[in-house]
Amino acid sequence: AQRVTQPEKLLSVFKGAPVELKCNYSYSGSPELFWYVQYSRQRLQLLLRHISRESIKGFTADLNKGETSFHLKKPFAQEEDSAMYYCALRDAGDSNYQLIWGAGTKLIIKP
Amino acid sequence: NAGVTQTPKFQVLKTGQSMTLQCAQDMNHNSMYWYRQDPGMGLRLIYYSASEGTTDKGEVPNGYNVSRLNKREFSLRLESAAPSQTSVYFCASSGLAERQYFGPGTRLTVT
Repeated sequence: AQRVTQPEKLLSVFKGAPVELKCNYSYSGSPELFWYVQYSRQRLQLLLRHISRESIKGFTADLNKGETSFHLKKPFAQEEDSAMYYCALRDAGDSNYQLIWGAGTKLIIKP
Repeated sequence: NAGVTQTPKFQVLKTGQSMTLQCAQDMNHNSMYWYRQDPGMGLRLIYYSASEGTTDKGEVPNGYNVSRLNKREFSLRLESAAPSQTSVYFCASSGLAERQYFGPGTRLTVT
């Protein structure tokens, strides 16, 4: 079955510490993976996607097809990173651009 | 350029009442979506519309109906609200760039 799993509902780290938000997926097709972020009182927005291989706000994520994972990492967390993070997947061949969503991880950066 | 707009922002209903959530986008996107967001469950797709004139069920369509009025507008209707429909509702749209753009959300409480 198609599934995106974010094993941590809540992750709390100190400012300046490394942070890793885990995302594992189960999908038989050709997946495209995304990370979306929702800051307090703001709308959900795209953070990054694996096909772009970019770093946004210091975050990176590498698609590991062998481990079926797309973990989000940042070497030095900042307080403004506190937010709700969602991992999502779509079939690269799906013209409807439907996304399969993980349950989300709430990241709290402690001062 | 407003992006995706939703009305209302907040709504309180009594069990059995009906209401329509409105969504509009000004990005000329073909695809539009309605999600609900519940704690610990992430985003769940209610209905989506791949193009003007078409709608399809998502993961949790029961108790809802939708109308793709034109390319810009995609409304979600609750015919007989139930407490289980208390949630935050998000509308989203996407075009050929495959990322989804979200509205600010509607917080609905059914008593």
